[in-house]
Formats: sequence, structure tokens, C-alpha cells
Amino acid sequence: KAGVTQTPRYLIKTRGQQVTLSCSPISGHRSVSWYQQTPGQGLQFLFEYFSETQRNKGNFPGRFSGRQFSNSRSEMNVSTLELGDSALYLCASSRLDSSYEQYFGPGTRLTVT
Amino acid sequence: GQQVMQIPQYQHVQEGEDFTTYCNSSTTLSNIQWYKQRPGGHPVFLIQLVKSGEVKKQKRLTFQFGEAKKNSSLHITATQTTDVGTYFCAGAFGGSQGNLIFGKGTKLSVKP
Repeated sequence: KAGVTQTPRYLIKTRGQQVTLSCSPISGHRSVSWYQQTPGQGLQFLFEYFSETQRNKGNFPGRFSGRQFSNSRSEMNVSTLELGDSALYLCASSRLDSSYEQYFGPGTRLTVT
Repeated sequence: GQQVMQIPQYQHVQEGEDFTTYCNSSTTLSNIQWYKQRPGGHPVFLIQLVKSGEVKKQKRLTFQFGEAKKNSSLHITATQTTDVGTYFCAGAFGGSQGNLIFGKGTKLSVKP
């Protein structure tokens, strides 16, 4: 079974720009969660999608948004990038919901200059 | 808000020594999960504990869930250099729409 894939793997953007990251979950997994990982804050939950609906949302500003498609693939978007958005963005899929074991993708390393 | 505290933040051990990391929540958890992230990698699921007082073993790793389902520990016996990485606990707080809250992790380094 193929694992979780994320594209792109690396991204460099300028302050004020926007970015879209993509995640393809493991086949058959319906829940996709997004996390931001930084050295100082650790793994912080952004949001979870299940069957194209956002089920949970973490404590992030509205500049962070996401969506899920009918094939369970998910995208997250960050608008008006700030330097502090530089981080590793991880996507994780799970069978039912995010309280079950999660399978993480390799992440997208976003650098904002 | 719901938080999961994890200590210590860092642990340096000599190869062959034991290692333990602890996780604590102020509220009851429906389950707790443990993940390992190697340097430059992504978190990989290790185990899930669901029952009060549950103890599970994976080779040299022993996982425990407290009786009150508010704390957990991961113990590694006789560490090896392959154990290097950051160990995260993640608590699920139940409800119809669960999401995991991750601890800050314990970064383990092993000196050969």
C-alpha cells in the first residue's frame, strides 16, 4: 500500500505571497489532518478533514485554510505569508478520524523570506 | 485548552543505558499514541494505548497507560544508536470528533 504523499517537498516563498500544499492520503483513509512543525512549538494541529468536511480546527489564523476533495486528497492554503510561517507542514491520514493511528507524509518544508 | 505535557525535553544517554519519557494530561484521555521521528524524517506511529493501566511491549520498548488515563510513559531498555530521534506522545480526548494533541516530544541522543 502506497504511503501518504505530499507535494511539493520544498518551497521558498516571499512574505505576502500565498502557497498551496497538497496531500494524497493512503488509499481507503478518509481522514486527513494537517500539522505545522517548528523547533519552538513542536507539532501543532491545523485542521482535520473527513469526507470533504472540516471536522476540527486548531488555533491558527484564518490565513490558513484547507479543503478535501471527493477522492480524499487534501490541500492547504496559506495566504499573505509571514516569516513565522516557515515550518515543516505535515499531512497525516487515518482510517476513520484523527483519534486513530495516523500515517504521516514526508512533509513540505516551507521557507518564507 | 487541552494540553499534553511531555518531559524531559532532551535526554542524552550512553549506549546501553535505559531511557524513559513521560506524558501527562490534566484531563482524561480516550487513548494515547506514541510516535517516533528520526532526524530529518516524519513521525511514525509506534503504538496506541486505550485501556486504563494498559502495558504493551515492543522488543526493548515498554509503553504504559496510567490507571486514571491521564498519564503515560515510554521506557526503552538498553538503548542503541538506532533509537536516536524524537519521541512524541499524542493524546486523544474523546468525543465524536477526535483530534490528537501532541506533546512537545523528547529528543533522545545516544552516545556510542
